[in-house]
Amino acid sequence: DAGVIQSPRHEVTEMGQEVTLRCKPISGHDYLFWYRQTMMRGLELLIYFNNNVPIDDSGMPEDRFSAKMPNASFSTLKIQPSEPRDSAVYFCASRPRWGLGEQYFGPGTRLTVT
Amino acid sequence: KQEVTQIPAALSVPEGENLVLNCSFTDSAIYNLQWFRQDPGKGLTSLLLIQSSQREQTSGRLNASLDKSSGRSTLYIAASQPGDSATYLCAVDTGNQFYFGTGTSLTVIP
Repeated sequence: DAGVIQSPRHEVTEMGQEVTLRCKPISGHDYLFWYRQTMMRGLELLIYFNNNVPIDDSGMPEDRFSAKMPNASFSTLKIQPSEPRDSAVYFCASRPRWGLGEQYFGPGTRLTVT
Repeated sequence: KQEVTQIPAALSVPEGENLVLNCSFTDSAIYNLQWFRQDPGKGLTSLLLIQSSQREQTSGRLNASLDKSSGRSTLYIAASQPGDSATYLCAVDTGNQFYFGTGTSLTVIP
């Protein structure tokens, strides 16, 4: 398997624009996670899905953030409108099942909002 | 809420030394604990996963231990090499949430 795939790897956008980050989890993994990493706050869990269903979105910072998983092989994280404080590295990770098995991380998307 | 702390925040050692990284957590009700490595500008690479019923896991020069009752885990790296230079993070799985430590930045000097 190619591992967790994320696109784009880098995104630079202006404040107020819509940003869409994409993730393809490892085939057969039931769980998908979206994280955000900043120097100030470290790695934070934003939302996770189980079998395409959002389970816990308590980490989503505000209504400007939304995430979807229309099928087992694709998920998006959308920010609309984007703000400079959203600048961070966003990681997607997947896991075969809860309680067993490791999380596997994608390479991340580095988002810069100017 | 679970809090995960890693000490030290940064560590610099000469090549060949054995070293220990520490991870502590406040709530002992965990499913498992995972150690990751992160290289600059890269994603996280899983190193070891310890189930709550286990006390240690080994992979090559790495050995991770877990003491749930005291809320501690250690990552032991034997015979360190410059290629081990990276940030090491631990993550606690509570069953419905993951909590990451802030990491230990390791530099191994040739």
